[in-house]
Amino acid sequence: GDSVTQMEGPVTLSEEAFLTINCTYTATGYPSLFWYVQYPGEGLQLLLKATKADDKGSNKGFEATYRKETTSFHLEKGSVQVSDSAVYFCALSTSGGSYIPTFGRGTSLIVHP
Amino acid sequence: SAVISQKPSRDICQRGTSLTIQCQVDSQVTMMFWYRQQPGQSLTLIATANQGSEATYESGFVIDKFPISRPNLTFSTLTVSNMSPEDSSIYLCSVALQGDGNQPQHFGDGTRLSIL
Repeated sequence: GDSVTQMEGPVTLSEEAFLTINCTYTATGYPSLFWYVQYPGEGLQLLLKATKADDKGSNKGFEATYRKETTSFHLEKGSVQVSDSAVYFCALSTSGGSYIPTFGRGTSLIVHP
Repeated sequence: SAVISQKPSRDICQRGTSLTIQCQVDSQVTMMFWYRQQPGQSLTLIATANQGSEATYESGFVIDKFPISRPNLTFSTLTVSNMSPEDSSIYLCSVALQGDGNQPQHFGDGTRLSIL
């Protein structure tokens, strides 16, 4: 079946540091890939997505590129802020009528001033 | 996009009691979903709530423990029955606005439930 593997957290960084959160996947067919973010006390929000190979999703300074050859969708940000402290979930879903994504375990990011 | 209101936002309950969580969406949607998120864990799908039919439960979840109602296209409830401390979790409602896997889900803010 489909699966998503994320790097374990917590990831602890100082403000303005470079962020990478690794995500790899296995899926039948050609999935769409997503990053969701969960701020403390809130539900999940879509951060960015990519629907086909070599697409780059971006939002709020975060980027991720759909790499079919390495089955990866790593999340990056050049300069993190304290307000980026949250849990980040990588997810995939397959086209053709399936509504239900497969989520990774989530990676907690803590950014210190 | 969709605005999803989930109530209550948190509760502390006694073991053996039941709690009903409400999920209201600002637009009509075909499918709504209920997830459980245990502390420090990822999301686990409990069931898919379809309007006009019984909910579809995932392995490990049963209707007697988690009855779901879906009376119309904008509203659903999840009841956590006969609660025990193991039911302490965040319960999340979500919807999908379009009928293919390329679209993201939209989530409510969750209900943080603690069982004493």
